[in-house]
Amino acid sequence: DAGVTQSPTHLIKTRGQQVTLRCSPKSGHDTVSWYQQALGQGPQFIFQYYEEEERQRGNFPDRFSGHQFPNYSSELNVNALLLGDSALYLCASSFWPSSTGELFFGEGSRLTVL
Amino acid sequence: LAKTTQPISMDSYEGQEVNITCSHNNIATNDYITWYQQFPSQGPRFIIQGYKTKVTNEVASLFIPADRKSSTLSLPRVSLSDTAVYYCLVGERGFKTIFGAGTRLFVKA
Repeated sequence: DAGVTQSPTHLIKTRGQQVTLRCSPKSGHDTVSWYQQALGQGPQFIFQYYEEEERQRGNFPDRFSGHQFPNYSSELNVNALLLGDSALYLCASSFWPSSTGELFFGEGSRLTVL
Repeated sequence: LAKTTQPISMDSYEGQEVNITCSHNNIATNDYITWYQQFPSQGPRFIIQGYKTKVTNEVASLFIPADRKSSTLSLPRVSLSDTAVYYCLVGERGFKTIFGAGTRLFVKA
């Protein structure tokens, strides 16, 4: 049973570029959440997708957008990259509704913006 | 969302019991208390969740007093591999899960 998978694992971009990160949820899960984790900080909630719609959003600018596909996989897009966007981007999957709220995380995509 | 406060870091030795306390004074009626563990360069992993009193599973225990304004994660007989960051989260189950800064536990030989 595959867990949450994310790609790419590492990538380097320059300021102003755009990036797309991908996530496949754990088998059977239908909800995907995205988090940004800067070095030494806790994960910060970006948004959550269910039934191909954004259901909840954290305090992130519109440069951060997402998409969920019919197979429940998801993409995170970040436009006009800033140096401060350098972080580990984590995808987490779960059920909707979740009886426990337990999130299953992938190993993340490490983005470096130069 | 209830704000949580937990120690920034803790040190322990192998074989000891470790207790990490989290303060959440404005916890709401529908809120649950959840703990996650995170190793470097990995995503967080769910450890345990509770609403009140005591919850125990194969890796940890969670103690919640009657007023629910704090909680304590107890790790029995820690090993070097328990060195990680531990996050205390408070919120409604299924609602957006908000992480704080966590507690960095360092287990020494």
